[in-house]
This record gives sequence, structure tokens and C-alpha cells, in this order.
Amino acid sequence: GDSVTQMEGPVTLSEEAFLTINCTYTATGYPSLFWYVQYPGEGLQLLLKATKADDKGSNKGFEATYRKETTSFHLEKGSVQVSDSAVYFCALFSGGYNKLIFGAGTRLAVHP
Amino acid sequence: SQTIHQWPATLVQPVGSPLSLECTVEGTSNPNLYWYRQAAGRGLQLLFYSVGIGQISSEVPQNLSASRPQDRQFILSSKKLLLSDSGFYLCAWQGSSYEQYFGPGTRLTVT
Repeated sequence: GDSVTQMEGPVTLSEEAFLTINCTYTATGYPSLFWYVQYPGEGLQLLLKATKADDKGSNKGFEATYRKETTSFHLEKGSVQVSDSAVYFCALFSGGYNKLIFGAGTRLAVHP
Repeated sequence: SQTIHQWPATLVQPVGSPLSLECTVEGTSNPNLYWYRQAAGRGLQLLFYSVGIGQISSEVPQNLSASRPQDRQFILSSKKLLLSDSGFYLCAWQGSSYEQYFGPGTRLTVT
């Protein structure tokens, strides 16, 4: 079945460091791909999305490119801030199951 | 613009008591709606989804149930809560590109 695999956390970085959170997927066809962010005590917020191969989603300095050949959708940010500390979830929409399939989440901690 | 509301925000209930959590969506018609549960420090578990009034699909057999009495209202219920029902409950609606938009959540503690 369809699945999403994220790198395990926690990821700990200093402020202004470069961030990469790896995400790979298994799915039939070409699913839409998403990154969500969850701040402590809050619901999930859609961070960015890509709906077809080679699309680049971007928002708030974060970027991710839909790579069909490597079935990946890695999240990147050039310079993280303390306020980026949160849990990040990669997800795909499974048309066969009519639902989002989420990765396990990656906790990011950014220190001053 | 679309907004999604959940209430209550927090709830503490004894084992064996009933439960009713409500989710409402504004600014969109006939959305697909979803209930998720998130245990402490864990990922998301899809509980139910609905593609229309009165249409409920259950993902996990358990002592919870869901109902959709109106187009933009989704209710999660239980007749008798268990300790294992504690968690963070999230409601979501689905947009046109299959993205989902989440509400603020209800934190349920069963004692």
C-alpha cells in the first residue's frame, strides 16, 4: 500500500543553520505531496504542497521539490530560526484510499 | 475564506462517561471531513471520514463513532470512554488539491 517514510528525529540545529528533512514515498500513480508543521499544543498547518512531478512547493522560506525519479519530497530551509522549532509531517494523498497518508513526523529543535 | 472550528478545546472526563466533540467548517460547501487522533508524541491516526451528510467511513474499529448531521458539521462520539481514548483529536476538511486543513484540536484526558 501507499506509505511515507521520514527521517527520524529529533533534529537539533543552531539558528541560521541549513535544514534538510528527508521524505520518501511509495505510491501508485503520481500522488499530491504535502508538508505540514505542528507547533506545540496546536493543530497541523499546511506548510507547502506539490501536485505533480518537478513541482516546487515553497512557503515561509521552506522549499520541497517533487522528485518522481527518486520518489522523494525533501524539506529544506536555508537559515532556520528558533521559531521554526516544531514537528514536521510529510504526507501524500492516496487516491486509492481517498485519504492522506502521513509520515511519523520529525521534531526540529533550533537553539539560539 | 474558509475556517474550521472545534470545541471544546480541552476536556477531562472520567472513564465510562460519554463523549461528544464537535467540528464545524465555514466558507465551503460539501467538504470531505476527517477525524484524527494523535497520542502524546506520536503521529496521526485517521479515525473517520465523511464525503457527505450521513456518510461515514470508519478506519479503526473502536468504541468511537462519528456522525455528520449537517453539511458542515462533523461530530465524534463515544458512549463510554476508555483510558486509551485520551489524546489530541483533530478535525480536518479537504481542499480542491487534496490538501487538508486542520482545526485547532481538542485535548481529551480520560481519568
